[in-house]
Amino acid sequence: SAVISQKPSRDICQRGTSLTIQCQVDSQVTMMFWYRQQPGQSLTLIATANQGSEATYESGFVIDKFPISRPNLTFSTLTVSNMSPEDSSIYLCSVRAGPGEQFFGPGTRLTVL
Amino acid sequence: KQEVTQIPAALSVPEGENLVLNCSFTDSAIYNLQWFRQDPGKGLTSLLLIQSSQREQTSGRLNASLDKSSGRSTLYIAASQPGDSATYLCAVGDDKIIFGKGTRLHILP
Repeated sequence: SAVISQKPSRDICQRGTSLTIQCQVDSQVTMMFWYRQQPGQSLTLIATANQGSEATYESGFVIDKFPISRPNLTFSTLTVSNMSPEDSSIYLCSVRAGPGEQFFGPGTRLTVL
Repeated sequence: KQEVTQIPAALSVPEGENLVLNCSFTDSAIYNLQWFRQDPGKGLTSLLLIQSSQREQTSGRLNASLDKSSGRSTLYIAASQPGDSATYLCAVGDDKIIFGKGTRLHILP
């Protein structure tokens, strides 16, 4: 298994500002994933973060809006840039451990005013 | 494109009952299927992982089955308890996993 922590757990931000979310894993992993969960919706994959290379973004998500860093095998950050109220969501990071099982962090609840 | 559907969207049952949650997927060429639990405002807790070569997995009062040919999985919860109240999510895939919209379960004391 993997134990994942995220910071901050929640934040309230003003429109037009940016927020960086941190994700820390207790073991070294090749890939880390960032998901968004909009209110009342299920999870949607934003991007896959590999150490030492550019993140791979899913359709509908772009690097300018959601820049990702992956400086080492246990840490990643996701920035939500130039925020609008539509960005209000829970943002979760996850890792794959063992034979395909994915583990999730506790999430960051973002509210944009 | 893989699509995952969960039925019902919401379910309320009295404590002690056995219940079944359903998940269907459109592309049977899946690697893994995973069931998660999400409490309100919280992250996801992994419940059971069924690899593509497996037909079912059990953990305590939970049993999940997988039928790739029909594109279905079920999560069986035995002797339900109020603490089981949560949203249950089904997800398929390997590295990139596709989620269903979940079943909101409410166990009535």
